Amino acid sequence: LAKTTQPISMDSYEGQEVNITCSHNNIATNDYITWYQQFPSQGPRFIIQGYKTKVTNEVASLFIPADRKSSTLSLPRVSLSDTAVYYCLVGDLNYGGSQGNLIFGKGTKLSVKP
Amino acid sequence: SQTIHQWPATLVQPVGSPLSLECTVEGTSNPNLYWYRQAAGRGLQLLFYSVGIGQISSEVPQNLSASRPQDRQFILSSKKLLLSDSGFYLCAWGRLAGRSEQFFGPGTRLTVL
Repeated sequence: LAKTTQPISMDSYEGQEVNITCSHNNIATNDYITWYQQFPSQGPRFIIQGYKTKVTNEVASLFIPADRKSSTLSLPRVSLSDTAVYYCLVGDLNYGGSQGNLIFGKGTKLSVKP
Repeated sequence: SQTIHQWPATLVQPVGSPLSLECTVEGTSNPNLYWYRQAAGRGLQLLFYSVGIGQISSEVPQNLSASRPQDRQFILSSKKLLLSDSGFYLCAWGRLAGRSEQFFGPGTRLTVL
């Protein structure tokens, strides 16, 4: 599975847009990019997933350039409740016996201030 | 809808004691099942995954073991706990094909003293 690199922490203020970038230089052709959110003492929660270009859902947008060596999670108008750790993962959805075998790094700790 | 349960929510155990954590999934069949551990201030570490009853794959060598006696039941065990086994244990399930989204349980906070 492709290794990912994210900033350890980020600070923001309520109402701002937050962009978290993840590097995955050795991403493979079959790999998808997935982002999770984790609050303290809870399990991670799926946010968004994409393969290329742009994906948008009700909570976030995911921007993936043509070379797919990086991706950016965009959170519009964050609130205090968006304070959490955000994980970027890259993996092949259909890889054999370990399909769905995701490797979580340390993630990015986002702190939203009033 | 699918739900995933873990118990107990918190556990304090002495070094050398046995461990049994249980995870069950409802509302889906033949899921992939996963055990993760998160030590304080660190990312999630995949411990075991299972693609079917009796099929267990281990990702890291350790004194822990896992079993899947039923399709939607996943158990994490240890015969003798170590101090380093302390952490937040999460069970997750995922589908066999399609999106790699995993759904996580509420977790078990284990403290080994």
